[in-house]
Amino acid sequence: ETGVTQSPTHLIKTRGQQVTLRCSSQSGHNTVSWYQQALGQGPQFIFQYYREEENGRGNFPPRFSGLQFPNYSSELNVNALELDDSALYLCASSLLTSNYGYTFGSGTRLTVV
Amino acid sequence: QQQVKQSPQSLIVQKGGISIINCAYENTAFDYFPWYQQFPGKGPALLIAIRPDVSEKKEGRFTISFNKSAKQFSLHIMDSQPGDSATYFCAARPNNAGNMLTFGGGTRLMVKP
Repeated sequence: ETGVTQSPTHLIKTRGQQVTLRCSSQSGHNTVSWYQQALGQGPQFIFQYYREEENGRGNFPPRFSGLQFPNYSSELNVNALELDDSALYLCASSLLTSNYGYTFGSGTRLTVV
Repeated sequence: QQQVKQSPQSLIVQKGGISIINCAYENTAFDYFPWYQQFPGKGPALLIAIRPDVSEKKEGRFTISFNKSAKQFSLHIMDSQPGDSATYFCAARPNNAGNMLTFGGGTRLMVKP
């Protein structure tokens, strides 16, 4: 059984640029969620994908978008990067109706300069 | 009404002592309350979780106490060990929101040898 893997592990971007982060779900999981974790804070829910469609979204602007692929892997895209977008971005996978919670990846550390 | 408040922000405990972390929530639609442990450079890992139909759940040295009327829940770590030093997050999930978690702000636990 493989866990959740994210790439890249670290990334530096310039304000105004666009970024794509990638996530491979744990085997057998059909739901992928993305979280933003600012330094010293708890993760904040961005959105969730099930069957390649967004089926839940937190309080994030439309410049945060995502995709889920048939193999349940996922991408998070952020356009027009702002300095406040600097954070650890976590991907988590699960079964939609799981009673056991998420499996989180180790995250991508994004720094916007 | 989605907020989960966690305290304390940091905690220092001697080896063998009891670590207690508290959380309070507002949204009565929450029906699943997990605790996550996060080590530096890693994603959160599920530690233990509880549903509101029980008042206590114990797994090894970790116990969740749940007070539905007060809308509070807490994590007790018995016989705390230096290896327990990490950041702990409480979270909550609404019953109709898939796997969307609302996290508390985190507690940085240090267990001194």
